[in-house]
Order: sequence, then C-alpha cells, then structure tokens
Amino acid sequence: DQQVKQNSPSLSVQEGRISILNCDYTNSMFDYFLWYKKYPAEGPTFLISISSIKDKNEDGRFTVFLNKSAKHLSLHIVPSQPGDSAVYFCAAEETSGSRLTFGEGTQLTVNP
Amino acid sequence: DVKVTQSSRYLVKRTGEKVFLECVQDMDHENMFWYRQDPGLGLRLIYFSYDVKMKEKGDIPEGYSVSREKKERFSLILESASTNQTSMYLCASSGSKGRALKAFFGQGTRLTVV
Repeated sequence: DQQVKQNSPSLSVQEGRISILNCDYTNSMFDYFLWYKKYPAEGPTFLISISSIKDKNEDGRFTVFLNKSAKHLSLHIVPSQPGDSAVYFCAAEETSGSRLTFGEGTQLTVNP
Repeated sequence: DVKVTQSSRYLVKRTGEKVFLECVQDMDHENMFWYRQDPGLGLRLIYFSYDVKMKEKGDIPEGYSVSREKKERFSLILESASTNQTSMYLCASSGSKGRALKAFFGQGTRLTVV
C-alpha cells in the first residue's frame, strides 16, 4: 500500500522556467512533509519541509504547497537551473512519529 | 554540519555470504534508519532504532537484521545475501526525540550480490 505517491517518474523543463513536482498521500495521520533531492551515487539531501498546520513554505527558489483537503503537495522551483537536475523525493511522517515514508521519486531534468 | 558516514561506497558479495553495512553519525542523534532505494520504488524502510540496543522493523525487514551497540553506530546485516538484495542502501539519522522529521542521509552503499 503506497501511502505517498509521486505519479510522474520524470519531468523535463527549460532553464529559467518553473518546475512543479507533485506528490499525493493517503494517510490522514501525516502531519509533516519534506522534499529531498538526490544526485546519482549520493545520499538524499534535505531541501524543504512543511508542517500540516501551514499551506505554504518558501525558501529561496523553492516553495512547497500543501493542500490537506486534497491530500496533495507540490514543490515549485523558480527559476529552474541545470544544477537542479536530480531525483526529487517527497516524504511524510505521521503524528505518532519515528519514521519517514517516501514516494517513488521524480527525475527532474533542467535543459540549458 | 551533520555527518553520516557509511563504511563502503560499493560492495560486491557472493550469494549466501553474511554482509555487514556500517553507519556512523557524529551529531549524537537519537534515531537511526536503514533504507534501500530501488528504481520505481523510492526509499523503503528496512529497520530503525530510536535508542541504543533498541530496534524496530520497517516495511521490508525480511532477510535483514540490525545492531545498535553504541549511539553513533547502526549496522545492517544481511544474514545470507541473495541477488534480490542487490540495491542502494542508505543510512540516515535524526535528532528529534521520537520523530524522524529532518533526517540526514549518508552517501549510500551500492551493494551487488552475484
């Protein structure tokens, strides 16, 4: 049972444009959401997070939006840069805590 | 910066061998985790530990065990390696008591079982 789902395995955008990565979840007990970025042959690195009491969190070029009623979150990258090309994982944690549940990942390619 | 270090970047082992993957973190974190990453499946939790000598099963514990004798070290053991355990293994740690929240990952170990 996949509780966190990233339906797009890949996304390709032009440099300077907006990248929008999407994530859906099914577990109503999730109260904390994160995005991680992963380059090949490296471990994931934390990018941005959002608590369920918020609907938006911004950090520089990265903004995460949370729509609790739709059980959907998205990551916006503006403007996209070639160095953003990586696999992006969405993750969530339940109120009871202690573990992160990850989505399948989306490969973002930003073309110069 | 938090540092999570995995002992090997690449490993090749034979079917049936006992395999040890070591992970050390330097931030006195309470929680440590082992995940495996496979294409199209994302990161799946194998085991985690929220204290020394404590361990909890994740989503896919079969064929694995863990050891946490010291707070900074969390070992993953493949009792008898099989080809379906060929994967990228990722160790992580987090410092929030009882919550994973912002976990920090090691660089990963690419294990190939032949």
